[in-house]
Amino acid sequence: GENVEQHPSTLSVQEGDSAVIKCTYSDSASNYFPWYKQELGKGPQLIIDIRSNVGEKKDQRIAVTLNKTAKHFSLHITETQPEDSAVYFCAASPGSNYQLIWGAGTKLIIKP
Amino acid sequence: KAGVTQTPRYLIKTRGQQVTLSCSPISGHRSVSWYQQTPGQGLQFLFEYFSETQRNKGNFPGRFSGRQFSNSRSEMNVSTLELGDSALYLCASSLGTSQETQYFGPGTRLLVL
Repeated sequence: GENVEQHPSTLSVQEGDSAVIKCTYSDSASNYFPWYKQELGKGPQLIIDIRSNVGEKKDQRIAVTLNKTAKHFSLHITETQPEDSAVYFCAASPGSNYQLIWGAGTKLIIKP
Repeated sequence: KAGVTQTPRYLIKTRGQQVTLSCSPISGHRSVSWYQQTPGQGLQFLFEYFSETQRNKGNFPGRFSGRQFSNSRSEMNVSTLELGDSALYLCASSLGTSQETQYFGPGTRLLVL
């Protein structure tokens, strides 16, 4: 079955710098890759997603890139701000009727 | 529209007891998934229900069970509670598939003493 590995587990960056979180997946049939952000005391919330027919997607300071050949995808956050501090989860879906397979999460710390 | 609601928000039980948690999805959503989250353990998938049928199941023992009603509301039950069941239990709803946005509730925090 599908397996998703996420790195790093903790990432500390200076405010204003960029942050990159990487995930690899094992099932080449996976075709949907969302990223969720979980703030303290809340449930995760979708921040961006990408489908396998697209290589990159941007939304303001957030971007996701997908390399189907290497089976990895990454979340890029530019000009980081204090409110970006949270736990970020990547996931992969091998099909619409299958459950999402989640990465272990990355705790992002923005240093002032 | 109203988001996903979970009740109760906090719960304290003792070992051996059983517990039932409830999740009300966003109106019109037919899929409800349940997750267990412990510190440093990420999101562990329990099961997913779609149109009152369990569509997917994670690797949890049979003490964990769930169901979904005709109005898409879902419940999960844990019998014979163990200390290790202490966790945040999250439910998420979507229109129908895993490739649509999952909307998470705030969770139920269960403490087993």
